[in-house]
Amino acid sequence: SYVLTQAPSVSVPPGKTATFTCGGNNIGSKSVHWYQQKPGQAPALVISFDGDRPSGIPERFSGSNSGNTATLTISGVEAGDEADYYCQVWDSGDEHVVFGGGTKLTVL
Amino acid sequence: EGQLVQSGAEVKKPGESLKISCKGSGDTFSSSSIAWVRQMPGKGLESMGVIYPDDSDTTYSPSFRGQITISVDNSITTAYLHWSSLKASDTAMYYCARRGVDRADPFDFWGKGTMVTVS
Repeated sequence: SYVLTQAPSVSVPPGKTATFTCGGNNIGSKSVHWYQQKPGQAPALVISFDGDRPSGIPERFSGSNSGNTATLTISGVEAGDEADYYCQVWDSGDEHVVFGGGTKLTVL
Repeated sequence: EGQLVQSGAEVKKPGESLKISCKGSGDTFSSSSIAWVRQMPGKGLESMGVIYPDDSDTTYSPSFRGQITISVDNSITTAYLHWSSLKASDTAMYYCARRGVDRADPFDFWGKGTMVTVS
């Protein structure tokens, strides 16, 4: 089955850029979505279809996808961005939704 | 924008059955699919399965096939997740989430979750 690999954690000082990667075999051929989950809350969509921002998501959030890696970037990181971030694709082979293991963002 | 309202927390014993619900507001269920997602304590998100309310077509993720049943009642725009015999390992937070009809669509909004404790 299709596997998405994310680093367990990322630490960034306020105002700097946080980069999250999501690795998968030929992931560039799939649509990747990113979710933010703050402690005690449900996940929320922050990037859809590789790089689209839903309404209400700041321009600081951006995404890209190519080859075997999709990337979520948060520029000008704020304390309020501390959360777990998950990537997700549809696996057409096994016909099911796949999530990455998630990356925890700590703002130093 | 629609909303998904989930049923309250449950505490059950191993072997008991359980059905939790996810009620959509407005036209949430129209031209959409509803997924159930498990999050075990301190762990990541796992998709359990997806149902298409328009025709009740349901697909289950391999790990959950045969372990759960997902259903929908369109008359009250409510989706359900059912266990016939719970195990301690079913202890988790369960989220429902809405997706468009295309399987590659994102989950654009989520319920707040139902905590299930089996002990």
